[in-house]
Amino acid sequence: QSVLTQPPSASGTPGQRVTISCSGSSSNIGSNTVNWYQQLPGTAPKLLIYSNNQRPSGVPDRFSGSKSGTSASLAISGLQSEDEADYYCAAWDDSLNGRYVFGTGTKVTVL
Amino acid sequence: QLQLQESGPGLVKPSETLSLTCTVSGGSISSSSYYWGWIRQPPGKGLEWIGSIYYSGSTYYNPSLKSRVTISVDTSKNQFSLKLSSVTAADTAVYYCARHVAAAGRGDWFDPWGQGTLVTVSS
Repeated sequence: QSVLTQPPSASGTPGQRVTISCSGSSSNIGSNTVNWYQQLPGTAPKLLIYSNNQRPSGVPDRFSGSKSGTSASLAISGLQSEDEADYYCAAWDDSLNGRYVFGTGTKVTVL
Repeated sequence: QLQLQESGPGLVKPSETLSLTCTVSGGSISSSSYYWGWIRQPPGKGLEWIGSIYYSGSTYYNPSLKSRVTISVDTSKNQFSLKLSSVTAADTAVYYCARHVAAAGRGDWFDPWGQGTLVTVSS
């Protein structure tokens, strides 16, 4: 069972802004940085955001991340059809001697 | 460009040991900057970190799987491996290997990932 909670789904029309939330606790998001992964249908996850708000080379600046307290958010501005995918937040969790935990995942649909 | 590729049996019988290998190309597994990890994803479900290893052999595992997991590294072959013992149907999943970046002060993340390999546990 995931310790980071995300909404199961989100949607928008092309060009819209979509935001995905990720709720955690003091042992994970509250004390460590957050990452986001994009998983296109039938493919492996790909790193989208690291260290709360950093984009790896090649990731469009339409994707942005933020963190406040024990929650984090991923925003997709100017939504495009190719953004239809599953999105997962993740962070290190200091409980149970330490473990890397993923969120429950959010399916983004482009209407 | 760094690439990772998983290999191993696609079918394992219940109570037996699942064994997978990840071959790293385009870079050295002995880099002091990185760990190397395994993550799995049951069909239609979310992601679960299994564990990670440093080139020196230092490991850390998900506490929920620790009693059944062994991760090892072979620097001469630029490979690292996963063994999961006493498997059940609940271990059926796509297994991914990935480079684990552990950056002091900036956190941990996985990048890049292998394409994944489906392992089914069934008699």
